[in-house]
Amino acid sequence: EADIYQTPRYLVIGTGKKITLECSQTMGHDKMYWYQQDPGMELHLIHYSYGVNSTEKGDLSSESTVSRIRTEHFPLTLESARPSHTSQYLCASSEFLSGAPKAFFGQGTRLTVV
Amino acid sequence: KQEVTQIPAALSVPEGENLVLNCSFTDSAIYNLQWFRQDPGKGLTSLLLIQSSQREQTSGRLNASLDKSSGRSTLYIAASQPGDSATYLCAARSQTGANNLFFGTGTRLTVIP
Repeated sequence: EADIYQTPRYLVIGTGKKITLECSQTMGHDKMYWYQQDPGMELHLIHYSYGVNSTEKGDLSSESTVSRIRTEHFPLTLESARPSHTSQYLCASSEFLSGAPKAFFGQGTRLTVV
Repeated sequence: KQEVTQIPAALSVPEGENLVLNCSFTDSAIYNLQWFRQDPGKGLTSLLLIQSSQREQTSGRLNASLDKSSGRSTLYIAASQPGDSATYLCAARSQTGANNLFFGTGTRLTVIP
């Protein structure tokens, strides 16, 4: 059902490396989100966007940054990865206040920083 | 800030049983409420979405209800199957601020064959 894709699915990377997690959706949704989820824990919103050139910080402080140059693309970047960044990162999208906006999620990227 | 709570945190039932998962939220000013399923290490799959004006939604063996005034939603699963084993999350979309989704911590369901 969902046309939202995240790459890579799994990533193991060394401390200090710069990484970009990709998220793309083909549904033309205005709003996109990044959530962080530790194993067995709740989802925390770290970034969201209302549309092109819009980026906002979420409820959980994060050292990552995001950009929204195209409607369909919402990449998340960590300039210098640390072991504390090890987590699962989930991307989502929804229409913005259209009818009953339904959120669609990608399959997630499981990041391990060693 | 909206707070969403799910009870129980974990539930084990024998195959074939009917079960109810509970979700409560503190701010009744919601746009809608969405139930998701999450398999281990995977993303979220949307199960049901209930608009704030609706009382319930049904899809197959699943039925979700919403009582906005009391800040509660339930997910009813009929005739549970081992394939239903997963974590179930509810999320309330706020009417205020950025209209973001607020998630509960989930109920981990195990259906025993």
